[in-house]
Amino acid sequence: QKEVEQDPGPLSVPEGAIVSLNCTYSNSAFQYFMWYRQYSRKGPELLMYTYSSGNKEDGRFTAQVDKSSKYISLFIRDSQPSDSATYLCAMRPGNDYKLSFGAGTTVTVRA
Amino acid sequence: NAGVTQTPKFQVLKTGQSMTLQCAQDMNHEYMSWYRQDPGMGLRLIHYSVGAGITDQGEVPNGYNVSRSTTEDFPLRLLSAAPSQTSVYFCASSSSLPTSGSPYEQYFGPGTRLTVT
Repeated sequence: QKEVEQDPGPLSVPEGAIVSLNCTYSNSAFQYFMWYRQYSRKGPELLMYTYSSGNKEDGRFTAQVDKSSKYISLFIRDSQPSDSATYLCAMRPGNDYKLSFGAGTTVTVRA
Repeated sequence: NAGVTQTPKFQVLKTGQSMTLQCAQDMNHEYMSWYRQDPGMGLRLIHYSVGAGITDQGEVPNGYNVSRSTTEDFPLRLLSAAPSQTSVYFCASSSSLPTSGSPYEQYFGPGTRLTVT
């Protein structure tokens, strides 16, 4: 079983819809939770990060972490065609350099 | 700032050939790492380095070597290429050693697409 599970999709939504992405994990030592966005044939770029449990909002993006359920989510409100990309969750323990990534979910926002 | 640069962008190798994937960063980052990305597998860590002269293995190190003689450069060597090493390779760097509360953002290069026939 993988340490981080993420449904690869693909996910196709109309412009303006809410996109909901999630990951589950098994390592209770994870404390930092990140979402990366990767456009086609590009390197990943950090979208949001959260430390421990709770919510974090940045514009149209909201990240949620529920450590008791080992479940993290990313919501994209008012989705735009420019949000079409692969979204990867990543996480690490408190004092470890190494990130564990999910497989990534490919999202297409239709105009 | 060029950020993280990788060369070449594309490469085709025959089984048994060796080659070096180049990675350089101009942000004076201490931490650098190499990942491979395969469909349905996400990013898997190959090797990483916390500073010049210090390297360590990641999740999938077999068949790859690294060295870190300078802060800027972190080359990845394929010793004897195999079809199983067909993948997209990403180099990443970070400015912070992880401590509680640090954002620890990893900056990724554009990737090298490698095909081994």
